[in-house]
Amino acid sequence: EDQVTQSPEALRLQEGESSSLNCSYTVSGLRGLFWYRQDPGKGPEFLFTLYSAGEEKEKERLKATLTKKESFLHITAPKPEDSATYLCAVQAIGNQFYFGTGTSLTVIP
Amino acid sequence: SQTIHQWPATLVQPVGSPLSLECTVEGTSNPNLYWYRQAAGRGLQLLFYSVGIGQISSEVPQNLSASRPQDRQFILSSKKLLLSDSGFYLCACQDRGRTDTQYFGPGTRLTVL
Repeated sequence: EDQVTQSPEALRLQEGESSSLNCSYTVSGLRGLFWYRQDPGKGPEFLFTLYSAGEEKEKERLKATLTKKESFLHITAPKPEDSATYLCAVQAIGNQFYFGTGTSLTVIP
Repeated sequence: SQTIHQWPATLVQPVGSPLSLECTVEGTSNPNLYWYRQAAGRGLQLLFYSVGIGQISSEVPQNLSASRPQDRQFILSSKKLLLSDSGFYLCACQDRGRTDTQYFGPGTRLTVL
């Protein structure tokens, strides 16, 4: 069964304390893996797309990496404004999209 | 890049009343369009998707329906709302070019009382 699992469900970090969010997936043929940021009461904001194992993308304090079974979103020296829910989604060969339930990140000043 | 508009932003409706949520897209043509529902603390549930005008696929049997009367317009409707229809409704547009990325609108918060 195709599915996406994100961990942890919630993460509290001190400002400047680096960490990683995990997205594990099982899908019959991966076309792409997507990371989004969602602020409360708003639609998800696109961050990255990864297509193949070994690929990495960076944007400011965020870096996404991909292996054959999982993706990591690394957050380096986070700031309070990085607090949000981070969603992972996988696109399968048949164009089906599967979303995880997200990791709620809180960065404490 | 595309821009996705949704309205209304918030809606409070009584049980049994009708519903119409609208999504329009700018900056692209012939997109794949999606309706999702997001319940509090839960993931995104795909409700409908459309690959073209008049072409609607339903993922979840329910009292909701969708229509695509124009290339960049996607409408979510109900004849009689249920309490369980409360949630955050998101419209998404898929870039069918190089990236296949889905981009989301700002969402509509629906509360059914």
